[in-house]
Amino acid sequence: AQTVTQSQPEMSVQEAETVTLSCTYDTSESDYYLFWYKQPPSRQMILVIRQEAYKQQNATENRFSVNFQKAAKSFSLKISDSQLGDAAMYFCAYRSLPLSGTYKYIFGTGTRLKVLA
Amino acid sequence: NAGVMQNPRHLVRRRGQEARLRCSPMKGHSHVYWYRQLPEEGLKFMVYLQKENIIDESGMPKERFSAEFPKEGPSILRIQQVVRGDSAAYFCASSPPGSTETQYFGPGTRLLVL
Repeated sequence: AQTVTQSQPEMSVQEAETVTLSCTYDTSESDYYLFWYKQPPSRQMILVIRQEAYKQQNATENRFSVNFQKAAKSFSLKISDSQLGDAAMYFCAYRSLPLSGTYKYIFGTGTRLKVLA
Repeated sequence: NAGVMQNPRHLVRRRGQEARLRCSPMKGHSHVYWYRQLPEEGLKFMVYLQKENIIDESGMPKERFSAEFPKEGPSILRIQQVVRGDSAAYFCASSPPGSTETQYFGPGTRLLVL
């Protein structure tokens, strides 16, 4: 069974600085999807970024980028030029390919990011 | 284009009562997923449904919990005879047909059992 581990319960970053959130996972599958979701105090789950395992290029969305190391099963999220609005819980999630017959996301336990003014 | 809608946003029930949580997927989406989030934890998968079919209910407790997604109307997650341990946030997500890799989440329903 797949597992997702986020070893940093809480992180802090100064406004305008860069922060990296860690995520590791365990799987025997060769192809899959990885996601980062943001959960602000409103508790709405917001998709931040998505990575297909078969793509070697790291995904990027504006100030958000990932460092995907497939062999190491690592999927970290880098937030550049941090803003106060980035303060939230961040969840890493794994999803098997649809062909596997499995449709669920497997979530990590989350990292709470605090942004200091 | 409205996102995934859930209601109610907050629900308070006494032990033994029934809780009904509703989810309207995004327009054009025919796949619905329910997740539960306990305090200070990540989301845990409960059930995956398509119209009129339960595809995967491997995460659903065997008793008291049921889900449906009828041909017309929202998906319903029903919890009978609620207990304090059912207190959690329940999230619904949806995805379009033929493109299930990304799920779009609703705002959640926070259930409090007194």
